[in-house]
Amino acid sequence: DTGVSQDPRHKITKRGQNVTFRCDPISEHNRLYWYRQTLGQGPEFLTYFQNEAQLEKSRLLSDRFSAERPKGSFSTLEIQRTEQGDSAMYLCASSPRDPLALSRYFGPGTRLTVL
Amino acid sequence: GESVGLHLPTLSVQEGDNSIINCAYSNSASDYFIWYKQESGKGPQFIIDIRSNMDKRQGQRVTVLLNKTVKHLSLQIAATQPGDSAVYFCAETAENSGYSTLTFGKGTMLLVSP
Repeated sequence: DTGVSQDPRHKITKRGQNVTFRCDPISEHNRLYWYRQTLGQGPEFLTYFQNEAQLEKSRLLSDRFSAERPKGSFSTLEIQRTEQGDSAMYLCASSPRDPLALSRYFGPGTRLTVL
Repeated sequence: GESVGLHLPTLSVQEGDNSIINCAYSNSASDYFIWYKQESGKGPQFIIDIRSNMDKRQGQRVTVLLNKTVKHLSLQIAATQPGDSAVYFCAETAENSGYSTLTFGKGTMLLVSP
């Protein structure tokens, strides 16, 4: 399967703990996006990378959230001192180098539950 | 801020019927639109897209219509099948944002009965 992959698929943690999620984009896709989705809502944009550069961050991305893409391939999203309100599906997406290829291809998501 | 929204939260149809899912957008600068299908526990799956220089685009069993005058988007699914049951989202983006931000609506759940 050459699609976007995410790990883990599910994470249950206690409030106050740190969690880290990983995303592996489609090979050769240079753009990578993180989204958050709560039940019954559409995905909300969090942040965007072009290669290793983080070019945009949403206001939703508080100081407790940090994302990296050190080598321009996989990316990690870390949430520090988790809160119950962080419970959501965290989606990663990627898109090709072609500037005319605008669609995002999404991974299966990581479901986070904060107790 | 401006956003994309959907009129109908749930649409129930019989297998074989044609389905129409509607979406209203408010950002007049939006010039690229995508429909996604999301099944339970999965990430959104690309269905079809359309640019603002087009009014209609057809895929396999799906057609997207764009009415820029009233800022309305629709997804038509022909001969709906039980496997089409899912939540459908429209999403929009604009060149003036560098196409970096894709804004999603809240979704419409399509239920197909055999």
